[in-house]
Amino acid sequence: DAMVIQNPRYQVTQFGKPVTLSCSQTLNHNVMYWYQQKSSQAPKLLFHYYDKDFNNEADTPDNFQSRRPNTSFCFLDIRSPGLGDAAMYLCATSRDRLAGGEQYFGPGTRLTVT
Amino acid sequence: KQEVTQIPAALSVPEGENLVLNCSFTDSAIYNLQWFRQDPGKGLTSLLLIQSSQREQTSGRLNASLDKSSGRSTLYIAASQPGDSATYLCAVRPGDYKLSFGAGTTVTVRA
Repeated sequence: DAMVIQNPRYQVTQFGKPVTLSCSQTLNHNVMYWYQQKSSQAPKLLFHYYDKDFNNEADTPDNFQSRRPNTSFCFLDIRSPGLGDAAMYLCATSRDRLAGGEQYFGPGTRLTVT
Repeated sequence: KQEVTQIPAALSVPEGENLVLNCSFTDSAIYNLQWFRQDPGKGLTSLLLIQSSQREQTSGRLNASLDKSSGRSTLYIAASQPGDSATYLCAVRPGDYKLSFGAGTTVTVRA
């Protein structure tokens, strides 16, 4: 029944140690998004994939990378996590990028950096 | 740049009272507006999507209105219950793929 799945739900990593977060979807949607949400703040879009086409937001740090090996899966890689990267990371999908499309969110991964 | 504001940031009501949550946005040229619910430590659950051509959407006890010209949307939750306690976020879609989110209103319904 789950449509957008994120693993793990909770991730603890050490300062500077690379970490990968995973997102998968059963909706067969063309677009997958990664958002960062810090406590009591609005979600902030990091990047998105339209099919295999990667689109980075202008203010997304180089420390954040993403991979989409197939339609169903998308990964968020943080190369050298800092304390400021501790946040909830949300994956979302939409059928297309047309303005009327609805975005569907996963349950999120809570990242702690020690 | 589209800015989305939700006031108040937090709200506490007794059970049974109707909830009124406000969302305002600076640029009225939007394609749609979406209301989400977020439980503590969880992801976003979509509640209602209003297209720019619509004035309101209803789902059960929830009703959302949209007034594009004034840059406002209101989410009404009738007969609130303790299970309605959560953070409610609104997001507008200006016309491309991006959603511009508000920071949310955290609602507590007291039993």
